[in-house]
Amino acid sequence: EIVLTQSPGTLSLSPGERGTLSCRASQTVTSSLLAWYQQKPGQAPRLLIYAASNRAAGTPVRFSGSGSGTDFTLTISRLEPEDFAVYYCHQYGDSRYTFGQGTKLEIK
Amino acid sequence: EVRLVESGGGLVQPGRSLRLSCEVTGLIFENNALSWVRQAPGKGLEWLGFIGSVRFGGTTDYAASVKGRFTVSRDDSKSVAYLQMNSLKAEDTAVYFCTRLDGYLGFDYWGQGIRVTVSS
Repeated sequence: EIVLTQSPGTLSLSPGERGTLSCRASQTVTSSLLAWYQQKPGQAPRLLIYAASNRAAGTPVRFSGSGSGTDFTLTISRLEPEDFAVYYCHQYGDSRYTFGQGTKLEIK
Repeated sequence: EVRLVESGGGLVQPGRSLRLSCEVTGLIFENNALSWVRQAPGKGLEWLGFIGSVRFGGTTDYAASVKGRFTVSRDDSKSVAYLQMNSLKAEDTAVYFCTRLDGYLGFDYWGQGIRVTVSS
C-alpha cells in the first residue's frame, strides 16, 4: 500500500500568516488522485481539495493544492481563525486507499 | 441535500459482532460507491473498505487490517450500506464514518460518524 507521510506533525502559526503543509507518498500517486481534508474536533472530515489541485465546492480560495508524483502541498494563503484544525491528505489512485497521519494547525 | 446517517453503534464485548448501517438520501444511491473510514480516539483516519455500485458489479475491497473480519454490503432498495464487523477487538474502538466515494473527487460526502466501543 502507499504510505503517506505528512509534515510537520504540528504547525504553529498566527492568523494572517501563510500555512504550508506537506504530504509525501512512498510511491507515485496514480493520476495525482490525492485529496486534502480538514477536520475540526467532534466533526467529520470535510473535503477541501481533490485531484491534487482542485478546490471542492465551498472551499475558500485561500486554500490551494499543488504537486504530483510523490510530493504534494496544501497552502493556506492567509490564515483565518476558523482554519485552525487537523488536515489529512488521502490518496485514492490505488484501490487500497490510505491517509496521512495528519498535520495539526494550531494558533501560535 | 446529500445526507449520510450512520446507526448501529454502541458498546460490544470483545469477540462479538456488530453491524453498522449507513442510510443515504439526496442522491441516486444505486449509482454510487460507498466506503467506511474509522478514527480511533485521538488518532488519525483509517480507510476500512468500499463497495462499488451494482452497475460496476458491486466490487468490494478492504484494508489489510480488517480483511476477513469486516464486510461491506449494500441494499439499493433501501438506500443503505452496511459494515458487518466480526470478532471485534478492543483496538476496533473508534468512530466509524460512512462516505460517498467518487473516483475523481475522493470522499466528498461524510456521515456524522457513529461510536463503537469494544470492551468487556
